[in-house]
Amino acid sequence: AQRVTQPEKLLSVFKGAPVELKCNYSYSGSPELFWYVQYSRQRLQLLLRHISRESIKGFTADLNKGETSFHLKKPFAQEEDSAMYYCALRNTGGFKTIFGAGTRLFVKA
Amino acid sequence: DTAVSQTPKYLVTQMGNDKSIKCEQNLGHDTMYWYKQDSKKFLKIMFSYNNKELIINETVPNRFSPKSPDKAHLNLHINSLELGDSAVYFCASSQGGGAQPQHFGDGTRLSIL
Repeated sequence: AQRVTQPEKLLSVFKGAPVELKCNYSYSGSPELFWYVQYSRQRLQLLLRHISRESIKGFTADLNKGETSFHLKKPFAQEEDSAMYYCALRNTGGFKTIFGAGTRLFVKA
Repeated sequence: DTAVSQTPKYLVTQMGNDKSIKCEQNLGHDTMYWYKQDSKKFLKIMFSYNNKELIINETVPNRFSPKSPDKAHLNLHINSLELGDSAVYFCASSQGGGAQPQHFGDGTRLSIL
């Protein structure tokens, strides 16, 4: 069965510290993976997707098929990174998106 | 502004009532979705339409009925509302599936008294 697991409900780090939000998935085929972010009082929006292999707002995520992981990383967290982060999976060419339970990142000054 | 817009933003009503939530997108996308976010912030897909055709219909009570009059609109009608229907409902759209990202509305917070 398709599943996305984000083991941390809450992650609290100090400003300037590295941050890693974990995401593991269970899928038998070749998945499309995404990270979405929801800042306070804003709508859910795409942060990045694995196919783009880009860095957005200093965040990167590498798809590790061996470990079935798609962890989100940033070397130096900023206060404005505080938000709810969702990892999501979709089958190649498909429409159904499975979301993880989300991780709330809190960056302390 | 190009966006996905939902109305109303807040909906407070009593058990047993029937209500509708409307969604419109002006992004020119061909696929629209309804998601339910529960009190624990878990986001789960309910329905999806591609070119006005229903393509995803998850295990949702048949009190929930989506309607897509055209590619730019996807409405959600809920009959006989129950306490467990209280949640935030998000509309989203995308151009196709696969690696295409979804664009979300602001959500509609439904509270059942």
